[in-house]
Amino acid sequence: ILNVEQSPQSLHVQEGDSTNFTCSFPSSNFYALHWYRWETAKSPEALFVMTLNGDEKKKGRISATLNTKEGYSYLYIKGSQPEDSATYLCAFEKNAGNNRKLIWGLGTSLAVNP
Amino acid sequence: NAGVTQTPKFRVLKTGQSMTLLCAQDMNHEYMYWYRQDPGMGLRLIHYSVGEGTTAKGEVPDGYNVSRLKKQNFLLGLESAAPSQTSVYFCASSSSVNNEQFFGPGTRLTVL
Repeated sequence: ILNVEQSPQSLHVQEGDSTNFTCSFPSSNFYALHWYRWETAKSPEALFVMTLNGDEKKKGRISATLNTKEGYSYLYIKGSQPEDSATYLCAFEKNAGNNRKLIWGLGTSLAVNP
Repeated sequence: NAGVTQTPKFRVLKTGQSMTLLCAQDMNHEYMYWYRQDPGMGLRLIHYSVGEGTTAKGEVPDGYNVSRLKKQNFLLGLESAAPSQTSVYFCASSSSVNNEQFFGPGTRLTVL
């Protein structure tokens, strides 16, 4: 059984705060680690797909790092804004040839208070 | 460019009824997926397809069937709906380049 765990489960921050959350995943048979953003009443949207150990990706105020040897990824949000309020999901993709399935975490729910 | 579309958006069924959910994508993606999302459970994979004419089981396939007769469409069928199938169903598609998944808007299904 492959487990993808995210922490914390939920987070409340003030506008302007910087924050980060963790995704842990199996370190064996690694292929890729995905981050998605899911706003209430919408569908998940991809943020990053990361494949290499030490990878660091950035999109605006959001960035992510990847450590495949120890099996974790961090997502950082700098200067949180109310529009950043969403659930942030990570998903592990194992090296399984043509079977491109994702194993999803339960997400970190972020609320940014104005 | 509509991306991924799902029909219907909402449906209420009685136990034992059947229905088909349609997912369509216009991005020429090879891979398509059906998930269900339930409170506290996260996204769970029902069935998926890695190409036209091929399908495979995910984590929770029981009670569902799928077909991918055309590359752009992926159908999810419930032959005899049960209350346990009350859920929000999401379809997603991705390319073989990096498997970044694009999601449809979801179908909210209630089985009474």
